[in-house]
Amino acid sequence: KAGVTQTPRYLIKTRGQQVTLSCSPISGHRSVSWYQQTPGQGLQFLFEYFSETQRNKGNFPGRFSGRQFSNSRSEMNVSTLELGDSALYLCASSSEIYDREVYGYTFGSGTRLTVV
Amino acid sequence: DAKTTQPPSMDCAEGRAANLPCNHSTISGNEYVYWYRQIHSQGPQYIIHGLKNNETNEMASLIITEDRKSSTLILPHATLRDTAVYYCIVRVTGNQFYFGTGTSLTVIP
Repeated sequence: KAGVTQTPRYLIKTRGQQVTLSCSPISGHRSVSWYQQTPGQGLQFLFEYFSETQRNKGNFPGRFSGRQFSNSRSEMNVSTLELGDSALYLCASSSEIYDREVYGYTFGSGTRLTVV
Repeated sequence: DAKTTQPPSMDCAEGRAANLPCNHSTISGNEYVYWYRQIHSQGPQYIIHGLKNNETNEMASLIITEDRKSSTLILPHATLRDTAVYYCIVRVTGNQFYFGTGTSLTVIP
């Protein structure tokens, strides 16, 4: 089956702009999580969506937001971009509780955002 | 929150077993330990997981101590393609994974 698809793969934005990243989970998966990866902070949890509802949120400012659609596709948005937002943004999907316990999450290849 | 501690880097000779340790002394009784690896900034790849019994799959073996405060991931015959950053993860509140800093494994020819 197709994996987790993230678009775009690379993105360059200017400080102060906003950006929207997209994630299409594995077919049938209803849980989508977002992570930010930077050299200094490593992989950090942003938020998780399940059936169009945000279930968990990490310790990030309100400039970071997301949503999930009825087909489980998810988007995350970062407003008023800062240089420190340059990172690899990873999306991961999982199906029901049982699968999550057994296999954890399947990650996409990420979107590399560069803020200049 | 249950968190993990791993050595920052390790080397392993090609063809030998790679043993990657992880401490998770604050893990709760119902929390699973997951191992993922990440190759050259690709998305992390699932390897194996366990609760309290030792586990084995086609990729690796996971040995969890009886008190569950530590575990070891074993790659039985390391190849050059196993060079990656390996993360030992415990799921904290909700579905949030705490990745920690991981171990950078270098397999040497």
